[in-house]
Amino acid sequence: KQEVTQIPAALSVPEGENLVLNCSFTDSAIYNLQWFRQDPGKGLTSLLLIQSSQREQTSGRLNASLDKSSGRSTLYIAASQPGDSATYLCAVNFISGGGADGLTFGKGTHLIIQP
Amino acid sequence: NAGVTQTPKFQVLKTGQSMTLQCAQDMNHEYMSWYRQDPGMGLRLIHYSVGAGITDQGEVPNGYNVSRSTTEDFPLRLLSAAPSQTSVYFCASSYGAGLDTQYFGPGTRLTVL
Repeated sequence: KQEVTQIPAALSVPEGENLVLNCSFTDSAIYNLQWFRQDPGKGLTSLLLIQSSQREQTSGRLNASLDKSSGRSTLYIAASQPGDSATYLCAVNFISGGGADGLTFGKGTHLIIQP
Repeated sequence: NAGVTQTPKFQVLKTGQSMTLQCAQDMNHEYMSWYRQDPGMGLRLIHYSVGAGITDQGEVPNGYNVSRSTTEDFPLRLLSAAPSQTSVYFCASSYGAGLDTQYFGPGTRLTVL
């Protein structure tokens, strides 16, 4: 059974710092990897989607990288702000699931940015 | 566009009751899916559909039924609610067979007593 692991489970940093969230997965045969943000009591908001043929994607202060061969992805947040406080989820679409078999999610990193 | 909408937002059921969680999307997405989110377990796939008239089971389908009569709607039915089904339920949709960006609804928080 494929698994997705996120480290650390929780992170608290002062405002303005650059930070990295980590995601690892057990099978390099993937269609894509997606990073989400979840605010307390809310749904998931898609941040970045990286297809298996891509190495990175950028959106504003966010940069996600993908190293398929080592089964790793990182989400880099530049110049963090209190509004970035949320839980960040990594999700992988594994090829063995046929693509339609949904995403396999990590348990998330709970991020707190201190003002 | 409203995106992915879910109703109700909150629901309390007694053991053995049945109910339907509603999900609709207005983006003309072929692929729709249901997940449940439990503390310490992450999100797990319940059922999915690659188009109208086609549904299939995910990782945790027991106790749930789905149907897809239109492209827009994908309701999730709890046949006989059990306390183990207490969870937050999310509906998601995307173009294609789940190979594109997935858009999630706001969730339904269900408590079964």
